[in-house]
Amino acid sequence: ILNVEQSPQSLHVQEGDSTNFTCSFPSSNFYALHWYRWETAKSPEALFVMTLNGDEKKKGRISATLNTKEGYSYLYIKGSQPEDSATYLCARNTGGFKTIFGAGTRLFVKA
Amino acid sequence: EPEVTQTPSHQVTQMGQEVILRCVPISNHLYFYWYRQILGQKVEFLVSFYNNEISEKSEIFDDQFSVERPDGSNFTLKIRSTKLEDSAMYFCASSEVFAGGTDTQYFGPGTRLTVL
Repeated sequence: ILNVEQSPQSLHVQEGDSTNFTCSFPSSNFYALHWYRWETAKSPEALFVMTLNGDEKKKGRISATLNTKEGYSYLYIKGSQPEDSATYLCARNTGGFKTIFGAGTRLFVKA
Repeated sequence: EPEVTQTPSHQVTQMGQEVILRCVPISNHLYFYWYRQILGQKVEFLVSFYNNEISEKSEIFDDQFSVERPDGSNFTLKIRSTKLEDSAMYFCASSEVFAGGTDTQYFGPGTRLTVL
């Protein structure tokens, strides 16, 4: 099993701050990287799926980049709001059905 | 907006008992998945299911586990003889297509299984 690592484990920011966190993964046999947002007591929600080196995706104030050669992806949140408080998961796929998840970054945004 | 539902939200059982966790995927989806998350650990893939058969399973998915789509709408995970270490949150997910891992999977809210 090839590990997916996320950092930091948790992050506390003030409302209005911009923030980012990292997902690292083995660069070999890469096929796709997924980002999910998971609010407490709710279902994990798909944010982005990224496949190509240099991919950048954006959804509102959230964006993500992908570097498949060095094996990392960044997730950025611009102007954090309390409703952004959630766990952000990344997950790697090597072309089959199996998806390997990171442990997540837990974001707390204080009003 | 269509969503994946799971029942029950919390299941408590005695060690050695059989449990069935139920999921209703989004109606036009064809690919179905089960994941679990043991408290404090990562979400882990268990199994994928398509066209009434398992398409891939992890090493966790041993003979104690089985999956079924009994009636065209429900998708179930059965654990035959539960162990303490089966205590976890179990998530069902579904996707409309399989695109080699680039497909978007929609997750249910999970069933928390507690084995005593």
